[in-house]
Amino acid sequence: DAGITQSPRHKVTETGTPVTLRCHQTENHRYMYWYRQDPGHGLRLIHYSYGVKDTDKGEVSDGYSVSRSKTEDFLLTLESATSSQTSVYFCATGQGKNSPLHFGNGTRLTVT
Amino acid sequence: DQQVKQNSPSLSVQEGRISILNCDYTNSMFDYFLWYKKYPAEGPTFLISISSIKDKNEDGRFTVFLNKSAKHLSLHIVPSQPGDSAVYFCAAIGNFGNEKLTFGTGTRLTIIP
Repeated sequence: DAGITQSPRHKVTETGTPVTLRCHQTENHRYMYWYRQDPGHGLRLIHYSYGVKDTDKGEVSDGYSVSRSKTEDFLLTLESATSSQTSVYFCATGQGKNSPLHFGNGTRLTVT
Repeated sequence: DQQVKQNSPSLSVQEGRISILNCDYTNSMFDYFLWYKKYPAEGPTFLISISSIKDKNEDGRFTVFLNKSAKHLSLHIVPSQPGDSAVYFCAAIGNFGNEKLTFGTGTRLTIIP
């Protein structure tokens, strides 16, 4: 939907290693988001971006960083992965308030 | 602090009957609400939305009702179909000077043939 590609789709990594997840969009949407989905918590916002090089924290940003050097790409980095970061990560894009977000198909990350 | 709550983790409804999914919110600054539907191994997809200036919005089989005084919204699906079996998330956004969308915890709807 909205030309959103997340890579990789699945990843298993060890505790303490760095991990980068990539989100690529082809719709030229201004806003991009990273959410994580966990049982009992729904979708929680990690970070979002409101333009190139403009980012802000969400409700669960500790342990994560993001970068947006181009309109179409939004990277999520776990500097030192922990088991609590095992989750499904969703990227989303949007055109602003009162327009719905469009989501990618998710990245399942397992930290062992 | 969960600002958007879906208190029913799951719901089962007979095919052809009405499905009613509920959502409560705590922050009176929320002024736009959305419902998303999610199938396994896919991302959520937008279903229907409502602005706080309205109390009802309808799109085909889907109707969303908003009760601002009770800080409550509901999604009605009539008639329910097997393809409606999915997890439904409500979400809210407000006048906070940002574009952050806050989601509820989701309700798994199962339509029984």
